[in-house]
Amino acid sequence: NAGVIQTPRHKVTGKGQEATLWCEPISGHSAVFWYRQTIVQGLEFLTYFRNQAPIDDSGMPKERFSAQMPNQSHSTLKIQSTQPQDSAVYLCASSLDSAETLYFGSGTRLTVL
Amino acid sequence: SQLAEENLWALSVHEGESVTVNCSYKTSITALQWYRQKSGEGPAQLILIRSNEREKRNGRLRATLDTSSQSSSLSITATRCEDTAVYFCATDASGSFNKLTFGAGTRLAVCP
Repeated sequence: NAGVIQTPRHKVTGKGQEATLWCEPISGHSAVFWYRQTIVQGLEFLTYFRNQAPIDDSGMPKERFSAQMPNQSHSTLKIQSTQPQDSAVYLCASSLDSAETLYFGSGTRLTVL
Repeated sequence: SQLAEENLWALSVHEGESVTVNCSYKTSITALQWYRQKSGEGPAQLILIRSNEREKRNGRLRATLDTSSQSSSLSITATRCEDTAVYFCATDASGSFNKLTFGAGTRLAVCP
């Protein structure tokens, strides 16, 4: 079991560029979650999918951020026109249907210059 | 405002000592979870304690929950260098575990 795989581990973008972050959940897990972690705000919920369907995106900034899960083996988080305040570690997690235990990946550290 | 928060930002202990991290929360909950995050890794769940439980153990870890004071503690006995990490408590007001609110975390240093 390789765990949740996130790529890339580090990404540096210039202000205004687009960033796409990838997540491969644990095989057999039905739920996928995205969280953002910063020093100031801590760990914040962004969005989650269940059986590939978007369920709750209440934590997503309404502009520029979007998440998709085109198949059961991967999810993407896309940030358009990145801003310095988007710099953070973006964490993906997956779980079985009950979601009692989230299994986090190691995250993607996004730096926007 | 944080729905869950740890009471201390940082702790330092010597290897072999015991340590307790405390957490308070602000809403009615069905369960509280403790997570540990080591440097360069994502958080990993340690213990899930339900609102009808007062104590739960996992090896050297012991969590308590006091719903009347809306507080929880995580104790680690016989600490090891590898216990060095940030410890978070997390709650979900909806009771479905789908949208966790994490505290700011307590940074524990066991080895220099």
